Amino acid sequence: GAGVSQSPSNKVTEKGKDVELRCDPISGHTALYWYRQRLGQGLEFLIYFQGNSAPDKSGLPSDRFSAERTGESVSTLTIQRTQQEDSAVYLCASSSGTSLYNEQFFGPGTRLTVL
Amino acid sequence: RKEVEQDPGPFNVPEGATVAFNCTYSNSASQSFFWYRQDCRKEPKLLMSVYSSGNEDGRFTAQLNRASQYISLLIRDSKLSDSATYLCVVNSGGYQKVTFGIGTKLQVIP
Repeated sequence: GAGVSQSPSNKVTEKGKDVELRCDPISGHTALYWYRQRLGQGLEFLIYFQGNSAPDKSGLPSDRFSAERTGESVSTLTIQRTQQEDSAVYLCASSSGTSLYNEQFFGPGTRLTVL
Repeated sequence: RKEVEQDPGPFNVPEGATVAFNCTYSNSASQSFFWYRQDCRKEPKLLMSVYSSGNEDGRFTAQLNRASQYISLLIRDSKLSDSATYLCVVNSGGYQKVTFGIGTKLQVIP
């Protein structure tokens, strides 16, 4: 079946521009996560959705970052006024959200480069 | 103290060797634990969940020590294809939020 998909796969933008990153989770998965991974670093938690609600936004690094989810499906991560330090791979994951041992399924990521 | 701590390595081991990684966590209320594997420039994928009783999957064995707040991963008879970064993942509070460790890099050498 279809896994988690993300678009675009690569995005190059100029400093100061806004970008939108999209995640299509596995159908029926209620939990959705966004992470950031800088080159050679670990995964940095950004935000988590349960359904369309985000009970935990604690990882968003600044008010330039926002995310939404609609229809308990697609999610969009928006970065406004991008900075060079925003350059990273942005990973989305989804899980069925029914138990403590739910596996997170990751998409291939969006590689963002801010010039 | 970080919520989840791992030795980043790298661990360089010869083929056929046994290697073990530990991961410590700070939240004593953590309830679920996992090992994920991440290949270079790829997304993480679940390797195995870690249960209180410990569990084994082929050459891989995972253990949980709640008293000392650590989990371990043992890989026996290492293969070249085991070369990857192994991520320790802990449920850090709340029903679905998990925290990833920085990962331990393993390089299996011919």
